[in-house]
Amino acid sequence: QVQLVQSGAEVKKPGASVKVSCKASGYTFTRYYIHWVRQAPGQGLECMGIINPSGGSTSYAQKFQGRVTMTRDTSTSTVYMELSSLRSEDTAVYYCAREGSGYCMDVWGQGTTVTVSS
Amino acid sequence: QSVLTQPPSVSAAPGQKVTISCSGSSSNIGNNFVSWYRQLPGTAPKLLIYDNNKRPSGIPDRFSGSKSGTSATLGITGLQTGDEADYFCGTWDSSLSAVVFGGGTKLTVL
Repeated sequence: QVQLVQSGAEVKKPGASVKVSCKASGYTFTRYYIHWVRQAPGQGLECMGIINPSGGSTSYAQKFQGRVTMTRDTSTSTVYMELSSLRSEDTAVYYCAREGSGYCMDVWGQGTTVTVSS
Repeated sequence: QSVLTQPPSVSAAPGQKVTISCSGSSSNIGNNFVSWYRQLPGTAPKLLIYDNNKRPSGIPDRFSGSKSGTSATLGITGLQTGDEADYFCGTWDSSLSAVVFGGGTKLTVL
């Protein structure tokens, strides 16, 4: 079945970087864009950016430009999201999601909890 | 502060109908498709409605979506206790060149 499986929880210190992976299976990896969305504790959903697994092109939300890097490995059908210069406000659950029709997100990863604490 | 505006909470009795609104602008809802998601506590969001009013396979017809101008509405009929969750609307924002979401609505089935 179609699924996205993310890497495990991370605990990082302020100023460090974190890299989260998202492995796709059950469909043609290069045919669907992947979004990264985060959700701070008790808060709503915030889109960080998008990657085209086919060519690797990316588009980042203005808030994260300069701090986020999204990459992909077509040999393993995996996309990565790296966030640098972490601060406490980056503590959140990070999701990858496949883009379907009309910019909807039709398949979601299970989420990766990133905790930033000294 | 979310780009799309949803009521923080709604409630209704089992078996009843509830609607959840989502308000935006011409740069997002007004000119793009709207999707709706349900999020149970501790789990990832799940797609309920896409392209304003279409249901993915496996989503019952108790769930419906509509759009008019710069607002969209999610309707849920025959409420069940299992429908208690947070509901989010989302769409593309042409000015921001990003997907934007509402702040979420917590549904309580009394």
